[in-house]
Amino acid sequence: GENVEQHPSTLSVQEGDSAVIKCTYSDSASNYFPWYKQELGKGPQLIIDIRSNVGEKKDQRIAVTLNKTAKHFSLHITETQPEDSAVYFCAARRTDDKIIFGKGTRLHILP
Amino acid sequence: EPEVTQTPSHQVTQMGQEVILRCVPISNHLYFYWYRQILGQKVEFLVSFYNNEISEKSEIFDDQFSVERPDGSNFTLKIRSTKLEDSAMYFCASSVSGAGPSFFGPGTRLTVL
Repeated sequence: GENVEQHPSTLSVQEGDSAVIKCTYSDSASNYFPWYKQELGKGPQLIIDIRSNVGEKKDQRIAVTLNKTAKHFSLHITETQPEDSAVYFCAARRTDDKIIFGKGTRLHILP
Repeated sequence: EPEVTQTPSHQVTQMGQEVILRCVPISNHLYFYWYRQILGQKVEFLVSFYNNEISEKSEIFDDQFSVERPDGSNFTLKIRSTKLEDSAMYFCASSVSGAGPSFFGPGTRLTVL
């Protein structure tokens, strides 16, 4: 079955700098890759997603890239702000439509 | 802004007892999900539900678990005989399309003693 690995587990960046979170997946047939942001005391919220027929997608300060050959996908946050501090989860949808989550990255934005 | 709501926020129960976790998905959504997150671990898929039936379930979702949409608004997860290892945060989610969960509720923290 699908296995999703996520790195790093913790990331601290200076406010205004960029943050990059990387994930790999094992099932080459996976075709949908959502990213979720989980703030303290809340459930995960979908922030951006990418499908396997697209290499990159951008929404304001966040972007995702997908390398299907290498089975890598990444989340990029530019011009980070204090409200970006949260736990971020990558996920991949398997061929049986189950969404499998990575272990999460705790992002700290330092003032 | 529409949101998924869950009750209760925290449920404490004795091992072997039945619990029902309740969710109200976003009103025009058609796909419903339950996930759980054991403290400090990844979010795990339990079950997806569409058109009044289970569409997918994980290995975790054994005979002790069941889901129901008893009316047009509620979506429930029942655990018949709770075990210590069922202690976790349970998240309900919904989406308009079947691509995957887009909106999660705030979760119910289940503690089994």
